[in-house]
Order: sequence, then structure tokens, then C-alpha cells
Amino acid sequence: SQQGEEDPQALSIQEGENATMNCSYKTSINNLQWYRQNSGRGLVHLILIRSNEREKHSGRLRVTLDTSKKSSSLLITASRAADTASYFCATPNSGGYQKVTFGTGTKLQVIP
Amino acid sequence: DVKVTQSSRYLVKRTGEKVFLECVQDMDHENMFWYRQDPGLGLRLIYFSYDVKMKEKGDIPEGYSVSREKKERFSLILESASTNQTSMYLCAGRETSGEKLFFGSGTQLSVL
Repeated sequence: SQQGEEDPQALSIQEGENATMNCSYKTSINNLQWYRQNSGRGLVHLILIRSNEREKHSGRLRVTLDTSKKSSSLLITASRAADTASYFCATPNSGGYQKVTFGTGTKLQVIP
Repeated sequence: DVKVTQSSRYLVKRTGEKVFLECVQDMDHENMFWYRQDPGLGLRLIYFSYDVKMKEKGDIPEGYSVSREKKERFSLILESASTNQTSMYLCAGRETSGEKLFFGSGTQLSVL
């Protein structure tokens, strides 16, 4: 399995603070994606960063990718209570039909 | 709007029963996925289909089979349900290789 890992497993912060989550993966990739999951529901795609990109922004989200270290980070700035959710990174296998492998997730709690 | 629909939100079955989990997408997506999600283990890929009647095993296919007779429908089959198959099952669709997944709301299966 090439399942990645997120770090930390759980994170609790105050509203207005920044939240940083890290993801490590095992094999070469074409892109890396981040997803969000509200409690007990399906996942929603947040952002995709390609292997030739080092940083990408979308609203309050900032994603970095370091392919030499096989790692990525997701930064949520000025967090809100509504950001409370689990966050997962996902890596499509390079080549072939590109099965998608998810990490173990970071559970974020934003306290109002 | 994009839509992936899982037929049941909650399901309770007995050990030894044959169980069908249904997933329908309305996006004409080539690729469809079945994952199971367990606390602390993240999402693990069970099976993947890249076209009608085509399938590939994921990381944990044992005890499961799939059926894709039509493009819009991808079924997960538990031939003889066991208690260790109690889990949240998530279906997803993807238009082209490497791009984002669209998830259903999930089916929480309990095998008693």
C-alpha cells in the first residue's frame, strides 16, 4: 500500500488562528490533492497541486508540495468554527489508471 | 450539479448475508471507486473501475467483489458479510485520470 500519513492526527485551535496539516506519501506522483470531510459525510475536494508546482493558493487555503521529501502541507489561515472537519491528502498513482490513495487524515477542531 | 448517490445512508445486516451497496453517478465519469473508512485508518481502496465491465483490485479487496454493467452504476458486493466488514463505505467518481474525485454521502454498514 502507498497510503500516506497526515500529521498531526488531531489539532485543536482557537478561531482566528492558522492551522497547518502535513502529509507524507510514498511513491512518485503527478499531483496531490486535499479533501475535507465533515463528520460522517462524504469527502469534498479542496485543492489540487501538480508535481511541477511548489505552492498553490485558494482563498484561505495554501498548499505546498516538496516532491524531494514526498511531503505536502495544507495551511488554513484565519480559521473559523465552520472549518472544523477532517482533512485528507490524496495521491493518484503515476501512470496506469491512477488509483487514488488517501492518507489517514487530520481531525481539526476550531473553537469559537 | 455534480452528483454521486449511494442508495443507503445506514444499513444493518446479519453475518453471512449477501450485501449489495449501490452507487450511481450522473456525470458520465469513466472512473469509479469504492473505499472503506475506519477510525484511525483513513480511507482504504477496495476496488476501482476504469470503464464498464473493467475493474482493478485496490489495497483491501478480500471479501468483496464489484459489478459495473453500466457506466453510471458501480456496485460493491459482500458475498458473505462478516462483523469485520462493519464500516463506513464511500463511493466516488472521477471524470479523467488524475483529477479530482466526487464522493457520495457514504453508507454506514453494521454487520451483526
